[in-house]
Amino acid sequence: NAGVTQTPKFQVLKTGQSMTLQCAQDMNHNSMYWYRQDPGMGLRLIYYSASEGTTDKGEVPNGYNVSRLNKREFSLRLESAAPSQTSVYFCASSERVNTIYFGEGSWLTVV
Amino acid sequence: QKEVEQNSGPLSVPEGAIASLNCTYSDRGSQSFFWYRQYSGKSPELIMFIYSNGDKEDGRFTAQLNKASQYVSLLIRDSQPSDSATYLCAVKSLDTGRRALTFGSGTRLQVQP
Repeated sequence: NAGVTQTPKFQVLKTGQSMTLQCAQDMNHNSMYWYRQDPGMGLRLIYYSASEGTTDKGEVPNGYNVSRLNKREFSLRLESAAPSQTSVYFCASSERVNTIYFGEGSWLTVV
Repeated sequence: QKEVEQNSGPLSVPEGAIASLNCTYSDRGSQSFFWYRQYSGKSPELIMFIYSNGDKEDGRFTAQLNKASQYVSLLIRDSQPSDSATYLCAVKSLDTGRRALTFGSGTRLQVQP
């Protein structure tokens, strides 16, 4: 009964370091998403993947890369972290847009 | 102009009252509208969605949609302290380039016991 699993849950990075946020879903969904949430800004779409092998930019893609490794997994990479990327990151998946399931979130701090 | 606008609140209502949460959107091509609830430190969870003009009821929750005015609202009847959370409005456009939801910044609701 895992749903959408994100790792790590908490991470502190130094400016310029790189890291990858991992996301996996066990619901056989085609679509997966990465959002970031900042105070007062709501959820903003970074990247999404409509199906295995495809990825598309969202509203705020700069500074991020993604990989849809297979149908289950969708990773988000920060190549050179910046303080502006301090945020809460949510991975999500769906089969239809009216049933989006979110992971528990990853709290990232860049110092 | 943000695509989805919500008053950040906090909206404070007494227990048992009706809480009214509002959302406006700018894209007339928006076809589907969603309300999510998010407790502090948790992920968003879907409350309900609405496609057609008018009202849609689900238990204590009623979503109202007026496409002409580009306005969607959520009413919570008999508000309980456990309803205290941030409520996110989200829209989905028919634009094929927008295959994900666009979220508002949320309204924080406080239900006073």
